[in-house]
Amino acid sequence: DTAVSQTPKYLVTQMGNDKSIKCEQNLGHDTMYWYKQDSKKFLKIMFSYNNKELIINETVPNRFSPKSPDKAHLNLHINSLELGDSAVYFCASSQSASNTGELFFGEGSRLTVL
Amino acid sequence: DAKTTQPTSMDCAEGRAANLPCNHSTISGNEYVYWYRQIHSQGPQYIIHGLKNNETNEMASLIITEDRKSSTLILPHATLRDTAVYYCIGRYSGNEKLTFGTGTRLTIIP
Repeated sequence: DTAVSQTPKYLVTQMGNDKSIKCEQNLGHDTMYWYKQDSKKFLKIMFSYNNKELIINETVPNRFSPKSPDKAHLNLHINSLELGDSAVYFCASSQSASNTGELFFGEGSRLTVL
Repeated sequence: DAKTTQPTSMDCAEGRAANLPCNHSTISGNEYVYWYRQIHSQGPQYIIHGLKNNETNEMASLIITEDRKSSTLILPHATLRDTAVYYCIGRYSGNEKLTFGTGTRLTIIP
């Protein structure tokens, strides 16, 4: 049973399209994250939600909109996709935002924008 | 969070101990040292973390110097599956996010 699962694993789409990536965790954690890993392999945090509330919003274009319908799910919607959005997007969860425990990462969703 | 410095790459023979160094000279008193690794095409995986004392778990040992300005992650008996990028990260207690650097690419050689 996968702890943090993301769908789809691969996504190929045209510039200008709108797409979503879904994430679910079955660990009972309160906090979820989206990270982006670009072609140079830098991992950068994008968003974090704690109990469905946004707590971290790094400098990310407005075209990216996270949504957390409940604390077990954090989805990422991207409007008007651009070539530079091509990356691997990782979802993660942790027990709570203030806990010093580990983050559990999903396997990633590889987005390719043509 | 403290800036960390790691070697870009390292090799280690299979079956030997892999010792990965990390400098964090600006670390503050309540900042933890975390280690994660990323095996090719997978999500980052937590390894271990510590504050002042040395720590050991089923995956690795973490040795933190007394002045806390550097640490070493030890994989006691490296296997080919330990080939990965290893990240050393400083993180304040209560800080919601992990900030990844460039890490060390460890290659285990048969």
